[in-house]
Formats: sequence, structure tokens, C-alpha cells
Amino acid sequence: AQSVTQLGSHVSVSEGALVLLRCNYSSSVPPYLFWYVQYPNQGLQLLLKYTTGATLVKGINGFEAEFKKSETSFHLTKPSAHMSDAAEYFCAVSSLERGYNKLIFGAGTRLAVHP
Amino acid sequence: DTEVTQTPKHLVMGMTNKKSLKCEQHMGHRAMYWYKQKAKKPPELMFVYSYEKLSINESVPSRFSPECPNSSLLNLHLHALQPEDSALYLCASSQGDIYNSPLHFGNGTRLTVT
Repeated sequence: AQSVTQLGSHVSVSEGALVLLRCNYSSSVPPYLFWYVQYPNQGLQLLLKYTTGATLVKGINGFEAEFKKSETSFHLTKPSAHMSDAAEYFCAVSSLERGYNKLIFGAGTRLAVHP
Repeated sequence: DTEVTQTPKHLVMGMTNKKSLKCEQHMGHRAMYWYKQKAKKPPELMFVYSYEKLSINESVPSRFSPECPNSSLLNLHLHALQPEDSALYLCASSQGDIYNSPLHFGNGTRLTVT
């Protein structure tokens, strides 16, 4: 069975500081991994995804994530936080099914950015 | 702007009411999903339609009834709900024939059951 663990339900950083949100996965097959962001009163927006190929994945809004098979990790980073980055972030792994993509979400990490 | 449109944005209903949530996408996606999200929790999968056929029902109570009239539309019919059903209901879609196709989410319907 596949699963995702996000370490730290709350992360607080200063504006301009490095953002690091941690995600570890468990999967018996090569995983497809995703990071989504959810702003208040909105749906989920895809930040980036890893399927195959390059292990360093770049996404929107300056975020990137590195797939590390040996560590079963897919941590999300951004060099310099902006106030607008404050949101809930979800890591997800895909369960391969025929005809659809069943996502298994982590519990989420709330990012706070303070001046 | 989201490419998955959900209506209404907010809904308040009594426990004896019947209402419907609607979802529409025009990206040519063949898989559509209903998720339920409680405050401070990740989305929980309820139903998946693939090529307009119900593929997953995650043991959802029968007071929730999904419908997929065509490849662009997805409805969720609600009847005799309980206060604990109050939540954000999210619709999503993805390409049906690509395993790693990401889900595109709508902005949700905020449901309050009184």
C-alpha cells in the first residue's frame, strides 16, 4: 500500500527565508509524486509533479522538489519566502489505476510567513 | 481562474432538503472525482468516474448520490444530510488514460447542514 507522511503540521518562516516542507512516501512501485497548494477558501492547485526522469522538479511560484529514492523523500523548497506563500501544502502519491489517478494525500503542512 | 467550475460556491441546507452540487470541465478529461474536505484535513476521496462510469465509491453513505450525465459534467445529489456532512466539497478532473496525469481541482462548494 502507498502512503505519504508530511513532517510538521505547521511551519513558520520569515519573509525572504528558505522554505522547506518535508514529505516522505511509501510505495512498492516507482511512485508518481505531487505537491499541491491550497489557499484559504479555494481548491487545490498543482505546484509540481515527479513522474520519471530528472529528480529535481521545478514548479510554479519558484518552488522546486527533489525526488530521493534512497531516502523515500520528496521535500518541497523555495529559496526565498513571500507573504503570498502562506497556505496549506499537500504532498500526494499516485496509486496507479486504469482510467484514473487515485491520489493519496499527506495530512498537510500549514505554512505561515511573517514579516 | 480554475478550469473546473463548481456551483454553487456556498450552500446551506436543512436535514430534510434535497440539493445538488454541480461540476463542469471542458479540458477533455475523462476522469472526474468528488472529494470531501473537513477543516484542517486533507481531501478525502468519495467517488471517481472514469469514462462516465462509476469506478470508485469509497463506502460513501447513500444520502450522497453521484451522477455523470456526460464527459464534461459531474453532479452530486444530496438528500437527508446530517450536520457532520458540513464540509468543503471539491470536484476534480484528470486525463483518464494517463496514469500520472495530475488532478485539476475546482474551488469547491462550502456546504453547511443545519
